[in-house]
Amino acid sequence: DVKVTQSSRYLVKRTGEKVFLECVQDMDHENMFWYRQDPGLGLRLIYFSYDVKMKEKGDIPEGYSVSREKKERFSLILESASTNQTSMYLCASSPWGAGPSTDTQYFGPGTRLTVL
Amino acid sequence: AQTVTQSQPEMSVQEAETVTLSCTYDTSESDYYLFWYKQPPSRQMILVIRQEAYKQQNATENRFSVNFQKAAKSFSLKISDSQLGDAAMYFCAYRSEDSGYALNFGKGTSLLVTP
Repeated sequence: DVKVTQSSRYLVKRTGEKVFLECVQDMDHENMFWYRQDPGLGLRLIYFSYDVKMKEKGDIPEGYSVSREKKERFSLILESASTNQTSMYLCASSPWGAGPSTDTQYFGPGTRLTVL
Repeated sequence: AQTVTQSQPEMSVQEAETVTLSCTYDTSESDYYLFWYKQPPSRQMILVIRQEAYKQQNATENRFSVNFQKAAKSFSLKISDSQLGDAAMYFCAYRSEDSGYALNFGKGTSLLVTP
């Protein structure tokens, strides 16, 4: 089974702090994604990566950066956390290629981040 | 940019009954993929069903089936013989050949299953 893990289920930080959210997948997937989930807004794509050291902006990249130094690990960084970044953050991964087996995204359990 | 619309924020169904969740999307592309994802209260999102736009036949996975109407840009999910474990948030998602592997999600429908 594909396993995507996230470093914390719950996190509380203060405004202005630098925050790291870690995501690790164990299935050698090329693609990794960070989404933000807010009630009434669904999931919105922050950043994604197709390979090590590669990154692409999603729909809402402002205030975030990412790092992918190893294939299995994709980090989301909040350089200076703000209260409007309080949210649920979901990481996902998927393999490279086309077709049913490679099209599915596998999600982690999420990190509930509160910025005070 | 493609938009995915789920017009039902909440739905309710009785156990053993059938429920249909609606999804419409807006696109000018001809090759794309549509998905329904389920997010139970534990928060781990899982894929329910997948449909390729070039296939006319509606996808089916056990009690879950879709009604894909390409011309109308509609992609509804039917859950038959509903079970308590079907209670969850359901998200409709879209991916095009040109947009790579990123998914575009709707806002979700919360499904309540009553005994």
